[in-house]
Amino acid sequence: DGGITQSPKYLFRKEGQNVTLSCEQNLNHDAMYWYRQDPGQGLRLIYYSQIVNDFQKGDIAEGYSVSREKKESFPLTVTSAQKNPTAFYLCASSRGREGRSRDEQFFGPGTRLTVL
Amino acid sequence: QKEVEQNSGPLSVPEGAIASLNCTYSDRGSQSFFWYRQYSGKSPELIMSIYSNGDKEDGRFTAQLNKASQYVSLLIRDSQPSDSATYLCAELSGGYNKLIFGAGTRLAVHP
Repeated sequence: DGGITQSPKYLFRKEGQNVTLSCEQNLNHDAMYWYRQDPGQGLRLIYYSQIVNDFQKGDIAEGYSVSREKKESFPLTVTSAQKNPTAFYLCASSRGREGRSRDEQFFGPGTRLTVL
Repeated sequence: QKEVEQNSGPLSVPEGAIASLNCTYSDRGSQSFFWYRQYSGKSPELIMSIYSNGDKEDGRFTAQLNKASQYVSLLIRDSQPSDSATYLCAELSGGYNKLIFGAGTRLAVHP
């Protein structure tokens, strides 16, 4: 089955710890994204990557880091510098370079991070 | 600051009725708009994309786009209790593939 997987589904972190959220896709999509969702709010873009070995900051990149070493994978690290990391983290992917103006994004199941 | 505005709801409709969800956006240059459905505790699921003025129909769903008035809407015909969810409107920002989301409208379909 083609799709996007995220792990873990739930993650608990102590203050001061860095944690890494996994995102993998087998859709052969070029572009991948990380969003954050807080209760009652829309999704906000953290980082995105249009191609392997390249990524760009989104609207709320402070306290986060990413890498894009493989087309299929786009892990997100939530560092201790992120002041309020408790949220629902969503990874998405899209075809990317082709048909940019009509590029549909599809989401993985999400990771719910709680800071204890 | 580009924004997408939605009424947070809840919008309550009886089973079998038409649910009408609305969204306005501020970026006149936006070309592409999307509706996602999000069940409680789950991730968003893409249900409609619309790129041209007018209506686009897919089963019980109809998306409507009016670029002159900068609004996009979603109609759900013959609403079912399983349609109860939060519906997110999003526009694709020009220049790169950045989606700007509204906060969502919660729909409740009661039997």
